Amino acid sequence: KNQVEQSPQSLIILEGKNCTLQCNYTVSPFSNLRWYKQDTGRGPVSLTIMTFSENTKSNGRYTATLDADTKQSSLHITASQLSDSASYICVVSPGNNRLAFGKGNQVVVIP
Amino acid sequence: DVKVTQSSRYLVKRTGEKVFLECVQDMDHENMFWYRQDPGLGLRLIYFSYDVKMKEKGDIPEGYSVSREKKERFSLILESASTNQTSMYLCASSLGASGFYEQYFGPGTRLTVT
Repeated sequence: KNQVEQSPQSLIILEGKNCTLQCNYTVSPFSNLRWYKQDTGRGPVSLTIMTFSENTKSNGRYTATLDADTKQSSLHITASQLSDSASYICVVSPGNNRLAFGKGNQVVVIP
Repeated sequence: DVKVTQSSRYLVKRTGEKVFLECVQDMDHENMFWYRQDPGLGLRLIYFSYDVKMKEKGDIPEGYSVSREKKERFSLILESASTNQTSMYLCASSLGASGFYEQYFGPGTRLTVT
């Protein structure tokens, strides 16, 4: 069964600090991995997408990494801002319409 | 920019009522999706459609049906709403198969069934 596990489930960080979110997956076959940001009460918005051959992708202060051999990905947030408070969802595609979603990392940034 | 809109942000219905959730996308996307999102469970696929009048069951289709009469519109129908269908419902669309094309999500409809 295709599964995506994210850790930590939730974390609190001080404004201006960095943090790293983890994603492990067992999806097969593998097509690509995406990170989405979901603000409270809103729909998810795409941050990055990486295929098998890519091992890092940046979007402003967000940097995603992918190790396809160990089936792990991380999302690094640099110099966090209050607006980074959200749920970050790791999504893995086996190459069809049935995406595998993680349960999300809930990040709270405090001043 | 791709825009996916949903007919209601918040909806309160009574048990046994027939409920329609509407989703419209403005980018001529082929594929449209309905998910529900519950705390601790993440997003789960209810149904998706890859063409007008074409649909396919997702992981949790029981108690739901869908309709796609026009390319830009995808409706989710709860034939007889039950309290366990209280949830956040998210619509999404993609240009082609989501394995290769990004899914764009709507703002969600928070449905409460009492």
